[in-house]
Amino acid sequence: SQQGEEDPQALSIQEGENATMNCSYKTSINNLQWYRQNSGRGLVHLILIRSNEREKHSGRLRVTLDTSKKSSSLLITASRAADTASYFCATDAGSNTGKLIFGQGTTLQVKP
Amino acid sequence: DVKVTQSSRYLVKRTGEKVFLECVQDMDHENMFWYRQDPGLGLRLIYFSYDVKMKEKGDIPEGYSVSREKKERFSLILESASTNQTSMYLCASSLVTSGYNEQFFGPGTRLTVL
Repeated sequence: SQQGEEDPQALSIQEGENATMNCSYKTSINNLQWYRQNSGRGLVHLILIRSNEREKHSGRLRVTLDTSKKSSSLLITASRAADTASYFCATDAGSNTGKLIFGQGTTLQVKP
Repeated sequence: DVKVTQSSRYLVKRTGEKVFLECVQDMDHENMFWYRQDPGLGLRLIYFSYDVKMKEKGDIPEGYSVSREKKERFSLILESASTNQTSMYLCASSLVTSGYNEQFFGPGTRLTVL
């Protein structure tokens, strides 16, 4: 069953604009993570936010977490063509096995 | 840096063949995972292992088995490949660290079963 569901499924913006992607989940979590996948490649970890955190920054990335609404958002500021990729949220539901449940992803296209 | 390698980037097999996908990680991670990724379905967990010789089924284990004889190596086996197993297969590894379980992924194997 899908834990994370992402919105929108696809997003197209111009270089320099901000991109916002949202993730909703169903059960309580230990942490939520965001990953990036370039076309046909493996996923790369971007950022992790713990359940007791509300906001986290890393470079041009800003992640928020609202546990009352069971949702998270990833904001990429001042986007670049190189940010074109698919972005996935993943939740750790606290099974202590290291298992993550991934959303279906948002495909971001940044036009130069 | 953590490195996760997969034995092949592209693989073409025939229906009924036995297929081995190998994954090796070099950072002494306890956990290893096999996913398949299909358009519109995201990543689905096939099997995972939290220790040598230990394995647990994920969400879609049917038609697959795994082997973990050494800590660094996790193999996915398709006993009798079928066309519906054509997919991108991704391997990942992570530490067992409570609250911080970032997964490191290999580059993926795109398997086509004819």
